[in-house]
Amino acid sequence: GNSVTQMEGPVTLSEEAFLTINCTYTATGYPSLFWYVQYPGEGLQLLLKATKADDKGSNKGFEATYRKETTSFHLEKGSVQVSDSAVYFCALSGAVQGAQKLVFGQGTRLTINP
Amino acid sequence: DAGVTQSPTHLIKTRGQQVTLRCSPKSGHDTVSWYQQALGQGPQFIFQYYEEEERQRGNFPDRFSGHQFPNYSSELNVNALLLGDSALYLCASSPMLTNTEAFFGQGTRLTVV
Repeated sequence: GNSVTQMEGPVTLSEEAFLTINCTYTATGYPSLFWYVQYPGEGLQLLLKATKADDKGSNKGFEATYRKETTSFHLEKGSVQVSDSAVYFCALSGAVQGAQKLVFGQGTRLTINP
Repeated sequence: DAGVTQSPTHLIKTRGQQVTLRCSPKSGHDTVSWYQQALGQGPQFIFQYYEEEERQRGNFPDRFSGHQFPNYSSELNVNALLLGDSALYLCASSPMLTNTEAFFGQGTRLTVV
């Protein structure tokens, strides 16, 4: 079945540091890939997505590229801020179109120190 | 637009009891999915409802059941609660017939004692 493996946390960085959170997946076919963020006490918010190989998703300075050859979707940001502290989830959906059943990784807790 | 709303926000139940959680989808969305997020883990898919029927189901026992109403809102019912059912329950809505991402509610924190 489909699965997602994320870099284990927690990850602690200083403000303005470079961020990478690794994500690899196992899936049949051509899934869509997502990064969701969860701030303390809140639900999940979509951060970015990519629906086909070599697509780059980007939002709020975060980027991730859909790499089919390495089955990866690593999250990167060039300069993190304290406000980026949250839990980040990589996820996939096997649906080509229509409502999504999402398979999530275990999450990576990120803490940014001033 | 109110987005996805869930109620209640917190709930404490005793082992063996039954619980009902509620979800109102984002305006324009006709499909509701439920997820269970245990502490420190990623969300796990429970089931999905569309046109008042369960369309997909994850690896959860029959103690977990649901319902969708004509206005697209949904309920999640859990019978014979176990301590291990303590988790954050998340509702997500999306439109079935377009490839649009799911929007999540704030969740209901269920504690079983």
